[in-house]
Amino acid sequence: EAGVTQFPSHSVIEKGQTVTLRCDPISGHDNLYWYRRVMGKEIKFLLHFVKESKQDESGMPNNRFLAERTGGTYSTLKVQPAELEDSGVYFCASSQDGGLIDTQYFGPGTRLTVL
Amino acid sequence: AQSVTQLDSHVSVSEGTPVLLRCNYSSSYSPSLFWYVQHPNKGLQLLLKYTSAATLVKGINGFEAEFKKSETSFHLTKPSAHMSDAAEYFCVVSDYGGFKTIFGAGTRLFVKA
Repeated sequence: EAGVTQFPSHSVIEKGQTVTLRCDPISGHDNLYWYRRVMGKEIKFLLHFVKESKQDESGMPNNRFLAERTGGTYSTLKVQPAELEDSGVYFCASSQDGGLIDTQYFGPGTRLTVL
Repeated sequence: AQSVTQLDSHVSVSEGTPVLLRCNYSSSYSPSLFWYVQHPNKGLQLLLKYTSAATLVKGINGFEAEFKKSETSFHLTKPSAHMSDAAEYFCVVSDYGGFKTIFGAGTRLFVKA
């Protein structure tokens, strides 16, 4: 069974540019999560999709971040325009049931560097 | 409010010696607790989870953790370290109060030959 995949693995952009990160969850997983780890800090929750609906987006830092999950399959996270403080590793995870004890399966992350 | 504190940012052990990675949590409700491991260039992998059943939880690769409510701790242990255990480990708490998943800052484990 394929795991969670993320693309690209690395992205280097300049301040003010736009970047789109993609996450493909495990097939059949309705729940999809985005997290971010800024250098030297904890991994922080960004948002949670159930199918194509945003269940919780309370962790999104500001309106420069837009997440979508059209059709309830893969998800994209767009940062527009990117700022220096957006640099970090963006993780995606998926789970089947979405409950608090449900195991989340993580992708390898996308390392974003904003210059 | 939920919080997680991993008491050591780095731990170094010799191969074959015990591993102890410490985690304290704060939760207003009965929490679920997890340990994840991340090897370089890999996704986070679940080692084990506590969900209010047995307080001693056994995970993969010989790891286990004990939930101690009185000490609000969920320390991760392994009797004998292997070189392949070198990675970063995350303690995670979820509860119905915040309905969020909160990560600790991570502990990087080094294993010396």
